[in-house]
Amino acid sequence: AQSVTQLGSHVSVSEGALVLLRCNYSSSVPPYLFWYVQYPNQGLQLLLKYTTGATLVKGINGFEAEFKKSETSFHLTKPSAHMSDAAEYFCAVSDQGSGGSNYKLTFGKGTLLTVNP
Amino acid sequence: DAGVIQSPRHEVTEMGQEVTLRCKPISGHNSLFWYRQTMMRGLELLIYFNNNVPIDDSGMPEDRFSAKMPNASFSTLKIQPSEPRDSAVYFCASSSYYEQYFGPGTRLTVT
Repeated sequence: AQSVTQLGSHVSVSEGALVLLRCNYSSSVPPYLFWYVQYPNQGLQLLLKYTTGATLVKGINGFEAEFKKSETSFHLTKPSAHMSDAAEYFCAVSDQGSGGSNYKLTFGKGTLLTVNP
Repeated sequence: DAGVIQSPRHEVTEMGQEVTLRCKPISGHNSLFWYRQTMMRGLELLIYFNNNVPIDDSGMPEDRFSAKMPNASFSTLKIQPSEPRDSAVYFCASSSYYEQYFGPGTRLTVT
């Protein structure tokens, strides 16, 4: 079964500093990987995704993530944090092992990002 | 597109009452997911449908919870009877492939 581990339930950075949110996964098949962002009192919004092809994927708001198969990782980065980036971030992996058209995702427990002025 | 629509956005009810949450998925999406989010347990998948058929309801916590999808444009999650521990934010999401689109959620408070 697929699983996702997000290291650090809470990450705090200063405005302008590098953002690094860690995600490791386990999957029995080549995974599809996702990062979602949740702002306060809102639903989850897709930030970026990796399916096939280029392992460095770019998303909205200046975020990017790199799929590293050898490390089973999909860490999220942003060179310079902005106050508006403060939110909770979820990493997710596809459950392709179920086959057919069952498009279930397995989510990590989330990382709360705080940006200090 | 209007995105995934959920109603009501907020629901406050007394213990023992029946609660019905509603979801309208994005047109053309054939998969629908119900999640629950709490501080203690995080984001939990309750049930999901594919082409209106329930595929996996192993996340439904108890028999008090039930979900239906009578057609491609509507789904309900019902709790009967409700209990204070059911207080949470309930999200509906839809997809046509792996990329899921979430609704704004229903914040349920059971007193």
